[in-house]
Amino acid sequence: KNQVEQSPQSLIILEGKNCTLQCNYTVSPFSNLRWYKQDTGRGPVSLTIMTFSENTKSNGRYTATLDADTKQSSLHITASQLSDSASYICVVSANNAGNMLTFGGGTRLMVKP
Amino acid sequence: DGGITQSPKYLFRKEGQNVTLSCEQNLNHDAMYWYRQDPGQGLRLIYYSQIVNDFQKGDIAEGYSVSREKKESFPLTVTSAQKNPTAFYLCASSPSDGYNEQFFGPGTRLTVL
Repeated sequence: KNQVEQSPQSLIILEGKNCTLQCNYTVSPFSNLRWYKQDTGRGPVSLTIMTFSENTKSNGRYTATLDADTKQSSLHITASQLSDSASYICVVSANNAGNMLTFGGGTRLMVKP
Repeated sequence: DGGITQSPKYLFRKEGQNVTLSCEQNLNHDAMYWYRQDPGQGLRLIYYSQIVNDFQKGDIAEGYSVSREKKESFPLTVTSAQKNPTAFYLCASSPSDGYNEQFFGPGTRLTVL
């Protein structure tokens, strides 16, 4: 069964600090991995998408990494801002599943002043 | 949220009533999806449609129904057969049934009184 596990479930950091969120997956055969940001009560918005051949991808202060051998991904947030407070969701797509996605449970990040 | 709209934002229903959630997109996307989100869990697929007048059950279709009479619209009906309908419902669309990014609407929070 395809699964995506994220850790930690929740995280509190001070404004200006860095943090790293983790994602482990068992989706096979792997097609691509996406990180979404979801503000409370809103729909998810895409941050990055990586295919098998990509190891890292950045979007401003967000940097995602992918290790397809160990089936792990991370999302690093640099110099956090209060607006980074949100849930971050790891989503994996399988090659034989069309556009069907497997979602992680998300990491709830709170940035405090 | 792109060109996807969902209405209403909040919906209250009495037990035994059917309710319909609206989802409209002006992105000219072929595929549309309905997800359910519960606290601490990953998004779960209810129904999806790859083309007008065609739709498929997702992982948790019981107690739900959909229609796809127009490319722009994919309404979801939550019937009285759905035992635990209180949740956050998200609609998404993508350009085609390929490996393209899914764009999400702002969501509808349904509460059963």
